Formats: sequence, C-alpha cells, structure tokens
Amino acid sequence: EVQLVESGGGLVKPGGSLRLSCAASGFTFTIYSMNWVRQAPGKGPEWVSFISASANYEYYADSMKGRFTISRDNAKNSLFLQMNSLRPEDTAVYYCVRGDFADYHFDYWGQGALVTVSS
Amino acid sequence: DIVMTQSPATLSVSPGERATLSCRASESVSSNLAWYQQKPGQAPRLLIYGASTRATDIPARFSGSGSGTEFTLTISSLQSEDFAVYYCQQYSRGPPFLFTFGPGTRVDVK
Repeated sequence: EVQLVESGGGLVKPGGSLRLSCAASGFTFTIYSMNWVRQAPGKGPEWVSFISASANYEYYADSMKGRFTISRDNAKNSLFLQMNSLRPEDTAVYYCVRGDFADYHFDYWGQGALVTVSS
Repeated sequence: DIVMTQSPATLSVSPGERATLSCRASESVSSNLAWYQQKPGQAPRLLIYGASTRATDIPARFSGSGSGTEFTLTISSLQSEDFAVYYCQQYSRGPPFLFTFGPGTRVDVK
C-alpha cells in the first residue's frame, strides 16, 4: 500500500523558516517524481514544487521561487521542502504527492501537514 | 502560464441525477488533464487522468472527455458519496514540469 506521511508542520513567525518532510513507503520511491501541493484554508489546491526521480529536475511555482527548496533522499525514501522567508499567505496544508511514473499526474496524496505563518 | 477555469462554481443536483462539470484551459494542454475529488478534511483523490482514463477503483459512473482546451467531467447518476468539490488540473509530461489546478466546482444536494 502506498503511504505518504508528512511531518514538520507548525506555527512560525513571518520571515521564519520551516522544513517539511515526507516519508514514503509501499512503492519504489527511487523511480517516481514527487511534488508538494498546498491548500490554503477554504481555497483550492496550489502546486508548489516538483522534483524528478533522480533529482535532476526541480520546478517551482512563481510565488515560491527563491524562497522554497525541494529535495529528496532516495536512500531514505524521503522528500523534503525547505521553506524560508515565510509569509502569512503561505499558511496552508502542505501535501506530499506522488507523480505517476509515466504520465506525471498526481496519483497518491499524503494526509497533509498544516503550516501556519503568524506573529 | 496556463490558466484553468471551471464552471459552474456550484452545481446543485438531486441524487440519481446526472452532473456535468466543465473545465477550460487558456491554451492547449492536449490530453494532459486530470480530475480530482475532495471531501471536507480529506486530501484530493485522483478520479480521471489523460482527460478520459479512470483511475484505479473509480466507479464507471465517472467519465471524462475533451482535449485541447475544453474538458468535461460527467457523473452519470449521483450517489450520496459524490457530493464534494471537483478540481481539474493540467499537468506536464515533459520539461518544464509545471502544473495548474482550476478553482473547483462544488457539487451539492439540490
């Protein structure tokens, strides 16, 4: 069974940093692309970042470029999101999401980690 | 950047009735279009990918159609568990890997 479990969420002040982690299990992590998707309260999902299976490609939504960094540790089946210079508008549930092996649509989602940016 | 729009914003339907949801892309996305269902307090769930292919374990009452810029999700006979918010998403199958969700259509009980 595919499982994606996020951790590291919490309350952080504006301008602060936070690192999210995602533990993957139940599939061969090393051959799948991975994504972070966020959802602000009462809003729709917003794609945040993509990393290819071997980490040779990284992409970010425009509003996250230069502030967020995606990474992965294939030896530990783990995905990360380093978030710096956080703003109140970054408050959201952050989901770890697997990309389909051949087609890249989002086939499995974690349960999400809440990040609250507030003073 | 590709912009996704969905209509209507809210669709009121009686159980057993047919629901038709629309999604439009600001430029052609070929068939790189997925639909997701989200219920309160849950993560989105993949329903359809490739514009018309049902994901694993998705009932046959869900069907998708379209290509290019115009897409439709049809629920042939609404069940109680289908009342939810539905999002379309365009996705990339090659670099650059960029993804965009639509604003969603809420399907509620008439």
